[in-house]
Formats: sequence, structure tokens, C-alpha cells
Amino acid sequence: ETGVTQSPTHLIKTRGQQVTLRCSSQSGHNTVSWYQQALGQGPQFIFQYYREEENGRGNFPPRFSGLQFPNYSSELNVNALELDDSALYLCASSLGRGPNYGYTFGSGTRLTVV
Amino acid sequence: GQQLNQSPQSMFIQEGEDVSMNCTSSSIFNTWLWYKQDPGEGPVLLIALYKAGELTSNGRLTAQFGITRKDSFLNISASIPSDVGIYFCAGQRSNQFYFGTGTSLTVIP
Repeated sequence: ETGVTQSPTHLIKTRGQQVTLRCSSQSGHNTVSWYQQALGQGPQFIFQYYREEENGRGNFPPRFSGLQFPNYSSELNVNALELDDSALYLCASSLGRGPNYGYTFGSGTRLTVV
Repeated sequence: GQQLNQSPQSMFIQEGEDVSMNCTSSSIFNTWLWYKQDPGEGPVLLIALYKAGELTSNGRLTAQFGITRKDSFLNISASIPSDVGIYFCAGQRSNQFYFGTGTSLTVIP
């Protein structure tokens, strides 16, 4: 059973550019959540996808958008990158969207905006 | 977004010592979780708590869900070098986790 895999592991972008981060959920998991973790902070919830539909969103602007595919893999897109978007972006998958389902985190994508 | 207050912020302890850290919130949560994060990795779940007052152990780790549902603590007994890392509490409400600010643990051999 494979875990959650994220790509790329590291990325450097210029302010104003757009970026796409990818996440392959653990086998059998239909729910994917994305988190942003700034240096020295705890992860902050961006949004969650359940069976290809957005199922909740945190306090992030619309330039953060996502997608979930029929195989339950997911993408996080960020437009008009700002310096403060530099962070570790974590993806977590679970068997369902309820509170009693365990979430498995990937190792993250380290995004640096210069 | 809301963040939970975790204390202490960092700890330096001798191998073999016990460790205690806690997490408080101004809001009620239905589920409390404790995660450990190693450098360059995502958080790994240590313990999940689902009922107020619940006390749960996982090996040398023990965690409790506070009666008020606004706090939780994690204890690690007889620390070993591989316990080094950052420990995060998280409160879960609906489909969202709210993470604490983290406790950095250093174990001195």
C-alpha cells in the first residue's frame, strides 16, 4: 500500500508566476486536504476535496484553487505568487471526510517565491 | 485562521526523562490529535482522542482530551534520542484541522 506522494519536492518560482502542486492520495482514499505550513508554524487548512468536489475552504484568497481527479489525486494551483506564499505545502488523504477518519500526510512540496 | 496555543515552545531534556506538553484553545473541539513532524517530512499521527476526558496511550506516549474540550496534553515517558522532533496538537472540527504552534523537543543523550 503506497502512502501519499507529492510532487515536486522543491520548487522555486518568481513573484507573479503561477504554480501547480500535485498529490497522489493513498490507495483507496477519496478525500484530499491541502495545508500551508510557513516556517516555524503549524499547518493551516487551505481546502478539502471529496469525490472531486470542494468540501470546505480555509481563509485563503481565490488565487488558491484546487482540483481532484476521478482517481482521487489532486492539484493545488496558486496564481499571482507573492513572497509570503513561500511555505511547505502539505497534502493529506483519508478514507472519508468525517471526523473519525485518519488522515495520512505526504512529505510536502517546499515552495520558495523570490 | 485559528491556531491553538501550545506550550512549551521548545524543550531540551536528558535521555530517560519524561516530557509533558499541552495545548489550549478558546474554542471547543470534537476531536484532538497529536502529531510528530521530522525535518523534511509531513506530520505523522501519534494519538487521536474522540471524547472529552478520554485518556489514551500509545507505547510511551499518553494523551488526554480535556473535560472542557478546549485543551489536551501529551506525555512522553522515558525519552529516547529518536523522540527528537516537533510535536503538534490539532483540534478537528467538521472536516478541518486547526494546528497548534508546535513544541520542539531535543533529547540530549
